[in-house]
Amino acid sequence: GAGVSQTPSNKVTEKGKYVELRCDPISGHTALYWYRQSLGQGPEFLIYFQGTGAADDSGLPNDRFFAVRPEGSVSTLKIQRTERGDSAVYLCASSLEGAPANEQFFGPGTRLTVL
Amino acid sequence: AQSVTQLDSQVPVFEEAPVELRCNYSSSVSVYLFWYVQYPNQGLQLLLKYLSGSTLVESINGFEAEFNKSQTSFHLRKPSVHISDTAEYFCAVNNQAGTALIFGKGTTLSVSS
Repeated sequence: GAGVSQTPSNKVTEKGKYVELRCDPISGHTALYWYRQSLGQGPEFLIYFQGTGAADDSGLPNDRFFAVRPEGSVSTLKIQRTERGDSAVYLCASSLEGAPANEQFFGPGTRLTVL
Repeated sequence: AQSVTQLDSQVPVFEEAPVELRCNYSSSVSVYLFWYVQYPNQGLQLLLKYLSGSTLVESINGFEAEFNKSQTSFHLRKPSVHISDTAEYFCAVNNQAGTALIFGKGTTLSVSS
């Protein structure tokens, strides 16, 4: 079956602009995660959804970052007033249930470049 | 707080040589440990995981890792590597809330002939 998909694959924007990154998880997966991977680093946790609700958003760096999952499937990560430091690869993952013991399946990522 | 340290950022080896990628973790709660692999131009894939039980876990492509609680380590090993094993390898541990993974910075394994 289809894996986790993310769109766009690449996004270039200017400092101060607003961006939306989309994640389409594996069908039937109730848990969805967003991570951010900067150059030379491992993925860093941003937010975790169980169903429609954000069960843990402790990784969001500040209030410019927001994510939604209104129907418990597709999720959108929203970044307001982008800064150059937001440049990174944004990864989405999903799993059958929301516990790290369950394998997280990762999407290919969206590479965000803020000029 | 939980953390993961991958001691080597790059490991160059020749084909058919053995390899060990080192991972140490810090955790105040029960741990689940993972190795993920990222092949060139591909997404992260789970290689193997330790949840409980036997401390030695194996992958389908010949890698193995051993959970060592006293040394807080989860090193990844393979007795004979192939060119196709060239990739970025990430060690990860569950966060304290049990809601997500904490990753190390990664180790680039480069296998040459």
